[in-house]
Amino acid sequence: NAGVMQNPRHLVRRRGQEARLRCSPMKGHSHVYWYRQLPEEGLKFMVYLQKENIIDESGMPKERFSAEFPKEGPSILRIQQVVRGDSAAYFCASSPGTGFDQPQHFGDGTRLSIL
Amino acid sequence: GQQVMQIPQYQHVQEGEDFTTYCNSSTTLSNIQWYKQRPGGHPVFLIQLVKSGEVKKQKRLTFQFGEAKKNSSLHITATQTTDVGTYFCAGPGGGTSYGKLTFGQGTILTVHP
Repeated sequence: NAGVMQNPRHLVRRRGQEARLRCSPMKGHSHVYWYRQLPEEGLKFMVYLQKENIIDESGMPKERFSAEFPKEGPSILRIQQVVRGDSAAYFCASSPGTGFDQPQHFGDGTRLSIL
Repeated sequence: GQQVMQIPQYQHVQEGEDFTTYCNSSTTLSNIQWYKQRPGGHPVFLIQLVKSGEVKKQKRLTFQFGEAKKNSSLHITATQTTDVGTYFCAGPGGGTSYGKLTFGQGTILTVHP
């Protein structure tokens, strides 16, 4: 039973390029969450999606960042025109729902480095 | 908005010593979750507490949820080198969705053999 799959594990981009981070949730999970983590800091919520719907994007920067979770395929976090400050670890988590007994399961993350 | 504070930020212990990390929320929480993240790894769910005053144990780990449901603690008895990592508490983030989590900044535990 595969866990949450994220790819790539490491991504290097130059300033101004685009970064695409992918996340396939655990089998049977329809809720996906993206978090960003800076070194030695906690995880900051970015966006919560269900299939084809953005439920909560209150943690997403207003510009350059977007996320989707299409009917078919993985969830994508897209960062356009990357800047140095975008360097961080981006974690995806999934859950079958949002009930009390449904903790979030995290992927291994994508470490994004901006040159 | 909701804030979750954790102390201490760092804790260095000798193997065999005890360790405690504390978590405080600015608002009452419906539940609190604890995660462990090994260096270079991803957060792994440890436990969820729901009831006021709840205490749960997992081997050498003891988790408590405060009576007012605004604070929590994790205590490790007789630490081992395998306990190394960052321990995070997290509460439901509120707002427009129930699902998102607000994480504390974590306590980084180092265990010296």
